[in-house]
Amino acid sequence: GQSLEQPSEVTAVEGAIVQINCTYQTSGFYGLSWYQQHDGGAPTFLSYNALDGLEETGRFSSFLSRSDSYGYLLLQELQMKDSASYFCAAEMDSSYKLIFGSGTRLLVRP
Amino acid sequence: DSGVTQTPKHLITATGQRVTLRCSPRSGDLSVYWYQQSLDQGLQFLIQYYNGEERAKGNILERFSAQQFPDLHSELNLSSLELGDSALYFCASSVRDPGGGYTFGSGTRLTVV
Repeated sequence: GQSLEQPSEVTAVEGAIVQINCTYQTSGFYGLSWYQQHDGGAPTFLSYNALDGLEETGRFSSFLSRSDSYGYLLLQELQMKDSASYFCAAEMDSSYKLIFGSGTRLLVRP
Repeated sequence: DSGVTQTPKHLITATGQRVTLRCSPRSGDLSVYWYQQSLDQGLQFLIQYYNGEERAKGNILERFSAQQFPDLHSELNLSSLELGDSALYFCASSVRDPGGGYTFGSGTRLTVV
C-alpha cells in the first residue's frame, strides 16, 4: 500500500529549531512536498524535493533521502505564527497527484 | 486570494440529499485535484482532472462524482449524503510541474445533519 508516517504533534519554543520527520512507503516515488495549514485555513505549499539532499527556502529547509524513504522539514528561528499543521506529501506517479501524510501539529510556545 | 476559487464556503444539508461543490482553478493551471479533510485528519485524495479529462482516481465513493468543463472549472457532486460525509472539501490546481506545488482554494465546509 501507500502510506506516509509523521509524528502527530511536536512542541517547541519560540526562536528554536524543530525538525518534522516523514517516512514513506509507496509503490512509486517521484518527489516529496511539504505543506503548512493553519487551523481552518487552506494548505499552502512550502517546498518540494525530487532529488536527495537539502533544499533551503528562508527559515524553512527540506531534506530527502530516497534510499531511506525518508524526508524532513526543518524550521529555524521559530515564530509564534509557525504554529500550524505540517503535511508531507508524496508524488507517486506521472499524474502529479499527491498522497498526504496525516499531518504534524506544531505548537510554538513563548 | 490564492487564485483558486471554491464555492460555496459553507454548506449545511440533510442526509440523503445531493450537493454540488464548484472550483475555478488558478489562471493557466490545467490540473484540478479534489481532496476531503475530515476533522483533525489528513487530506484524502479523491480525484484529479487534467484539461477536461479524468487523470487519477483515489478513494472516491461511488456516491461522489466530478467533472471538469471546457473552461477548466470543476464540480464535485456528492449524493445520498451521510453524516460521515461532513468534512472540508478542498480543490487545488497546479501547472504540469510538481516543483511549483499545488495552490489550494479556501475549501467548502460541508455539514450533513
